[in-house]
Amino acid sequence: ETGVTQTPRHLVMGMTNKKSLKCEQHLGHNAMYWYKQSAKKPLELMFVYSLEERVENNSVPSRFSPECPNSSHLFLHLHTLQPEDSALYLCASSQDRTGNQPQHFGDGTRLSIL
Amino acid sequence: ILNVEQSPQSLHVQEGDSTNFTCSFPSSNFYALHWYRWETAKSPEALFVMTLNGDEKKKGRISATLNTKEGYSYLYIKGSQPEDSATYLCAFLYNTDKLIFGTGTRLQVFP
Repeated sequence: ETGVTQTPRHLVMGMTNKKSLKCEQHLGHNAMYWYKQSAKKPLELMFVYSLEERVENNSVPSRFSPECPNSSHLFLHLHTLQPEDSALYLCASSQDRTGNQPQHFGDGTRLSIL
Repeated sequence: ILNVEQSPQSLHVQEGDSTNFTCSFPSSNFYALHWYRWETAKSPEALFVMTLNGDEKKKGRISATLNTKEGYSYLYIKGSQPEDSATYLCAFLYNTDKLIFGTGTRLQVFP
């Protein structure tokens, strides 16, 4: 039990579909993150939220749209994705965004784009 | 372009062997260095967050050292066990809130 839950674990979608990834943390953390891991590449930061405000958008295409309705929940809305977007998407949280605190990760969503 | 290098990419050791791997990172604008352990089909788990030059941290049989002036950190595992098999990731904290990850060292411990 990591305290960070991601759903779904696996998702297969067509390029014209719209879907959302969900992340939930019950650790009382104030910062939440979306990461992408493509095959044979390092984990790549996509978005950072601190106290429900987006503080970092790491040059991510607009077909990925994050949403943080409260400090416990984070969504990643997906639309008109490309085959190269197939990857593992990880959510993480930390006490704050200073970077001196460890990040707690979910198990990830394995996304496949047909 | 900021780069975090980890070596070796993979490592196979026998149960009981001690092992170590390296994380190299930019030596300027250092804020912190994170180590994570990532077992297959599980989530990455934080091992250490290191902030000071010369820091040494220990968690059971795993320990880490940090040299911020030359830009490297070592992770040591003493008396490796099969349950230590995992990918070990390091991440350099850039700009106070952005972690840059390496590609990891994949460790396999054979009984």
